[in-house]
Amino acid sequence: AQSVTQPDIHITVSEGASLELRCNYSYGATPYLFWYVQSPGQGLQLLLKYFSGDTLVQGIKGFEAEFKRSQSSFNLRKPSVHWSDAAEYFCAGKLGGGNKLTFGTGTQLKVEL
Amino acid sequence: SAVISQKPSRDICQRGTSLTIQCQVDSQVTMMFWYRQQPGQSLTLIATANQGSEATYESGFVIDKFPISRPNLTFSTLTVSNMSPEDSSIYLCSAGEADTQYFGPGTRLTVL
Repeated sequence: AQSVTQPDIHITVSEGASLELRCNYSYGATPYLFWYVQSPGQGLQLLLKYFSGDTLVQGIKGFEAEFKRSQSSFNLRKPSVHWSDAAEYFCAGKLGGGNKLTFGTGTQLKVEL
Repeated sequence: SAVISQKPSRDICQRGTSLTIQCQVDSQVTMMFWYRQQPGQSLTLIATANQGSEATYESGFVIDKFPISRPNLTFSTLTVSNMSPEDSSIYLCSAGEADTQYFGPGTRLTVL
C-alpha cells in the first residue's frame, strides 16, 4: 500500500544539538515529498520539498532534507536546534497521479533548554 | 507562495447543527483542498474543491455531510452538517500551485 511513515512519535533534543527526523515512503516510483511544520495552534508551514534532481534540498529556518531512493527515505535535518523549533513535523508525499497529499502521523519535537 | 486565511478560527457548536468554514486565498490558485485533523492525529484529505463544478470527495467523505463550494479561484467554503462530537477536529484549507500545497491556519471545531 502507498504510504508515508514517520517512525518517531516524539523526539527530545537539547537546544544547540543536531536533529534528524525520519520519514519513509512506500511507493513504486519517486514521489514528490514535503516536510511541513505545525506550531501549537497554527496551520502547517512548508519547510521544503523534493521533486527531482539534487537529493539534498535546503529549506527555510535552516532545515535540510536528503532523499535516498535506496532507503525510500526523506529525512529532515538541522545542525543546531533552537528552542523555537519545538513543534510537530509532518512528512507528506504525492504518491501517484492526482493532487492528493498523503501525510505521515507526525513527529512531536521537544527542545530542552 | 499563497497566503491563506480561514474563518472562523475556532467555534464550539451544538450537536445537530451545521457550521460553514470560509477559506480565502490572496491570489488565484488552481487547486483548493479541505483536510481534517482529528485530535492527536495526522491530516486526512476530505475533498478537492473544484472551481465551477462539484467537489471531488475522498473515500469515507460524502457531499451531504461536507458540502463544499468554490465560486471563484480565490475562495471556498466547507460546511460540516448535522454535527456530532465525532466531528470535533481541526479543519484546514489548502491551496495548490505547481504541485505544492500551502495551508491555512485551520479552524478548530468542538462539538458538544
